Amino acid sequence: AQKITQTQPGMFVQEKEAVTLDCTYDTSDPSYGLFWYKQPSSGEMIFLIYQGSYDQQNATEGRYSLNFQKARKSANLVISASQLGDSAMYFCAMRLMDTGRRALTFGSGTRLQVQP
Amino acid sequence: DAGVTQSPTHLIKTRGQQVTLRCSPKSGHDTVSWYQQALGQGPQFIFQYYEEEERQRGNFPDRFSGHQFPNYSSELNVNALLLGDSALYLCASSLTGGHGYTFGSGTRLTVV
Repeated sequence: AQKITQTQPGMFVQEKEAVTLDCTYDTSDPSYGLFWYKQPSSGEMIFLIYQGSYDQQNATEGRYSLNFQKARKSANLVISASQLGDSAMYFCAMRLMDTGRRALTFGSGTRLQVQP
Repeated sequence: DAGVTQSPTHLIKTRGQQVTLRCSPKSGHDTVSWYQQALGQGPQFIFQYYEEEERQRGNFPDRFSGHQFPNYSSELNVNALLLGDSALYLCASSLTGGHGYTFGSGTRLTVV
């Protein structure tokens, strides 16, 4: 079974600084995808970034980048130039690429607070 | 282009009652998944529907059932509600073959 571990229940960062949110995963399948979602207090899960297990380069989306270290089974999210609007819960998730097993497995999340 | 729409947004039910939650997927998406998110936790997968059939199921009892309609919209039904069923229920839609998921804002269910 797949497992996602997020060891940081809460993080603080100063506005305009960079922050790294940790995520480790466990699976025996070679083909999988890794996701990061942002969940503001409204409840909606907002997709941030995706990394496939066979992707050679780390994914980037604007201020978000994913530090993918396959051998260590880690997929840390880096947010550059933090903004007050980045304050939210952040979830790391994975799914297997077998079309019969498309469920997302989520971690417990990290609450990020950006301070002015 | 509308995203995923869930209704109702909030619901209060009494223990033992039954509840139905509804989800309209993003335009062009044909697969709907449901997740339960208890307070302070990450979402847990309930089940996924594609072509009106349940394709994958998480570790939830048979009290949780669902349906997908020909227009791809979906319902989640929970029978014999327990206090522990209180949670945010999230619907996510996707397109078969793609890896992107679009989530709705959820239905917050409170069982008293």
